Amino acid sequence: NAGVTQTPKFRVLKTGQSMTLLCAQDMNHEYMYWYRQDPGMGLRLIHYSVGEGTTAKGEVPDGYNVSRLKKQNFLLGLESAAPSQTSVYFCASSSGPPSYNEQFFGPGTRLTVL
Amino acid sequence: ELKVEQNPLFLSMQEGKNYTIYCNYSTTSDRLYWYRQDPGKSLESLFVLLSNGAVKQEGRLMASLDTKARLSTLHITAAVHDLSATYFCAVVDSNYQLIWGAGTKLIIKP
Repeated sequence: NAGVTQTPKFRVLKTGQSMTLLCAQDMNHEYMYWYRQDPGMGLRLIHYSVGEGTTAKGEVPDGYNVSRLKKQNFLLGLESAAPSQTSVYFCASSSGPPSYNEQFFGPGTRLTVL
Repeated sequence: ELKVEQNPLFLSMQEGKNYTIYCNYSTTSDRLYWYRQDPGKSLESLFVLLSNGAVKQEGRLMASLDTKARLSTLHITAAVHDLSATYFCAVVDSNYQLIWGAGTKLIIKP
């Protein structure tokens, strides 16, 4: 099993450009999450999904959109990138809600917006 | 709003020594996770603590949870270099999402 994979691993964008980050999991998990990690801070939840076709806002959703068209995939989109979105983005998945189920993380995507 | 504070944020210690990392949180919760992150790598789950008084141990690491004090500790016994990493605690909030501490960067010197 590959677990949770993320594409791409690195990306550099110019301000105003758009891009999509892809997260895929092969554990048949219902829940999927997108986080960002900034230096000196813990992870912050951007958006999450509790099942195919569902999405919900997390703590810092502004400037991002997501889609969960297939159970195994969770896409994170930046429509007009800003330097404040320079960060490391992690995708995670779990079999159920965080109250009882640990989250499994992908390797991360390092994004730089110039 | 749930806030999670870890201390210390940085810890440099010698091999063979014992030390404790603290995780305090601001509102009621009885679910807490500890994760490890190696430099440039992803996060790996270490422990999940599901009730007051819960204690989990693996190798040289032991985690405990006191929900009344809103405090979890991660104790390192006889540290070895391989335990050098950043350790995060994360607490389940009232919206059933994880709120993360800022992390404790642990460096263990030979």
